[in-house]
Amino acid sequence: DVKVTQSSRYLVKRTGEKVFLECVQDMDHENMFWYRQDPGLGLRLIYFSYDVKMKEKGDIPEGYSVSREKKERFSLILESASTNQTSMYLCASSPRPGTGGNTIYFGEGSWLTVV
Amino acid sequence: GQNIDQPTEMTATEGAIVQINCTYQTSGFNGLFWYQQHAGEAPTFLSYNVLDGLEEKGRFSSFLSRSKGYSYLLLKELQMKDSASYLCALGLNYGQNFVFGPGTRLSVLP
Repeated sequence: DVKVTQSSRYLVKRTGEKVFLECVQDMDHENMFWYRQDPGLGLRLIYFSYDVKMKEKGDIPEGYSVSREKKERFSLILESASTNQTSMYLCASSPRPGTGGNTIYFGEGSWLTVV
Repeated sequence: GQNIDQPTEMTATEGAIVQINCTYQTSGFNGLFWYQQHAGEAPTFLSYNVLDGLEEKGRFSSFLSRSKGYSYLLLKELQMKDSASYLCALGLNYGQNFVFGPGTRLSVLP
């Protein structure tokens, strides 16, 4: 069974803190993604990575950075958290086309509140 | 952009059939996906269309018309547990990017 695991389900951080959201997948997928989901705005792509050490900006990368040092792990970093980054963050992965499967699999989500 | 549109909310009765529409404007995509998301949980995969036509998976079916920029998800024999948000998404760049619509919140009433 496919598994995408996000390290923290609920976090409360203070404005200005550095925040790390960790994500691990056990499916040997090449592609990994970070989305945020807000009421009325749907899922918005922050960053994605299609290989180790590779990263691409999504639609809303400002205020975020990412790290992919190993294939199975994709980290989202908020360098200096702000209240407008309060949201639900979803990590996801998908295989390279032709390697089996063609959909995207999500983690359980991390609810971040910045106070 | 892909400009994906879905109705915001829909209500239906237990045992009924409901159709959730998704329209989009894009120059190209590899496949159209439907996901179900219960409140506070992650989206889970329901259905996928590459070619025009209907794909059936038990109580759920999805239809795609590329020429009309239109897809729908059909849910039959509605159950209370089907109350959830339904997201349509376009798969781009052969799985390297997925763009999601705003989602439709479905409420199933007894």
